[in-house]
Amino acid sequence: DTEVTQTPKHLVMGMTNKKSLKCEQHMGHRAMYWYKQKAKKPPELMFVYSYEKLSINESVPSRFSPECPNSSLLNLHLHALQPEDSALYLCASSRITGGSYAGANVLTFGAGSRLTVL
Amino acid sequence: DQQVKQNSPSLSVQEGRISILNCDYTNSMFDYFLWYKKYPAEGPTFLISISSIKDKNEDGRFTVFLNKSAKHLSLHIVPSQPGDSAVYFCASLILTGGGNKLTFGTGTQLKVEL
Repeated sequence: DTEVTQTPKHLVMGMTNKKSLKCEQHMGHRAMYWYKQKAKKPPELMFVYSYEKLSINESVPSRFSPECPNSSLLNLHLHALQPEDSALYLCASSRITGGSYAGANVLTFGAGSRLTVL
Repeated sequence: DQQVKQNSPSLSVQEGRISILNCDYTNSMFDYFLWYKKYPAEGPTFLISISSIKDKNEDGRFTVFLNKSAKHLSLHIVPSQPGDSAVYFCASLILTGGGNKLTFGTGTQLKVEL
């Protein structure tokens, strides 16, 4: 299995709602990532989990709360979001450190969850 | 902090010809550069990478060149095919030991015309 699966594909929520985005991989990767991509912009790193522990938080507002319950799953809990948080949220996974061959450490991305905040 | 720029937001090439996508970076602290391709409503797909100690890597129709003195890299696609039409991102990769830090460039929209 060489895929990263994200659910839901589309989510519409109000500013007072609480919702979650889910991500799953079965490649044995021990690093998992959340990226945010706005229209016509590159993906921007939000969080990195390494061995189920948060290792990088790119100064993301607390209305985004990540969780890594086990080595295969990554969640992003959403609460009190703003309309400007509407974006494509991408999950990715990778090995922690790889060998010397090209491509050993690449991030494998899911198809994303398209979030619209009304 | 690493900044990665792709100065051409779009590129149009005829089928069968060479596509050359360029990328400039500011910080020499990286382990790899990667190229990703992205179709609308899909996640980025890995294409090819180059180690910081190499100056060229080739995989089929794709070749990446790294010029460290100029802080510049390029992706060559030969021959270009209509299915190559997508947004291409170069990205610097730093291995931190606690996950890999991938910083994307601004992207180039490639259109391969018949």
